[in-house]
Amino acid sequence: QKEVEQDPGPLSVPEGAIVSLNCTYSNSAFQYFMWYRQYSRKGPELLMYTYSSGNKEDGRFTAQVDKSSKYISLFIRDSQPSDSATYLCAMSATSGSARQLTFGSGTQLTVLP
Amino acid sequence: ETGVTQTPRHLVMGMTNKKSLKCEQHLGHNAMYWYKQSAKKPLELMFVYNFKEQTENNSVPSRFSPECPNSSHLFLHLHTLQPEDSALYLCASSQVAGRDQPQHFGDGTRLSIL
Repeated sequence: QKEVEQDPGPLSVPEGAIVSLNCTYSNSAFQYFMWYRQYSRKGPELLMYTYSSGNKEDGRFTAQVDKSSKYISLFIRDSQPSDSATYLCAMSATSGSARQLTFGSGTQLTVLP
Repeated sequence: ETGVTQTPRHLVMGMTNKKSLKCEQHLGHNAMYWYKQSAKKPLELMFVYNFKEQTENNSVPSRFSPECPNSSHLFLHLHTLQPEDSALYLCASSQVAGRDQPQHFGDGTRLSIL
């Protein structure tokens, strides 16, 4: 079993749709959760960063962490064609072997105009 | 310049060549990282440097040799590579290693081994 599972997609949605991207994980020591966006031929760019459980909102993006279910989500409201990219979840613990970032394999998203 | 800069952006080399990848960060960070990104696979952490000292080598073959002369520069020396080493190599930096600091990435070097 992979430590972090992420549906690779591809996922295609019409412009204006609400997008839900998800990751599940197995290591209960993870406490820091991040979402990165990676455009084609570019490096990953940090989108959202949350600690422990709860929600965090930044503009059209909302990150949600449910530690009891070991499940994290990224919601994109009013999706735009410019949101078309691969979205990577990443997580880490404060100590031990999991203190470095562990990444999901990424979900490829296309927002159709 | 700002952020994390990687050169070259693309590299094609034969299996017997020797080449180096370069990374420079302008963020004032103290930790730097090398990752390998292959299609449809999670980013694989290769090496971690914290305050110029290597703190992690994730069982990387010796044909990859990192060098960190200072906190702003990181190199990856390559020799006698294999076709399966073809991938995108990403450099990242963070304030310190192994803490709650998010990592900032460069745009990578696309490496192709003939």
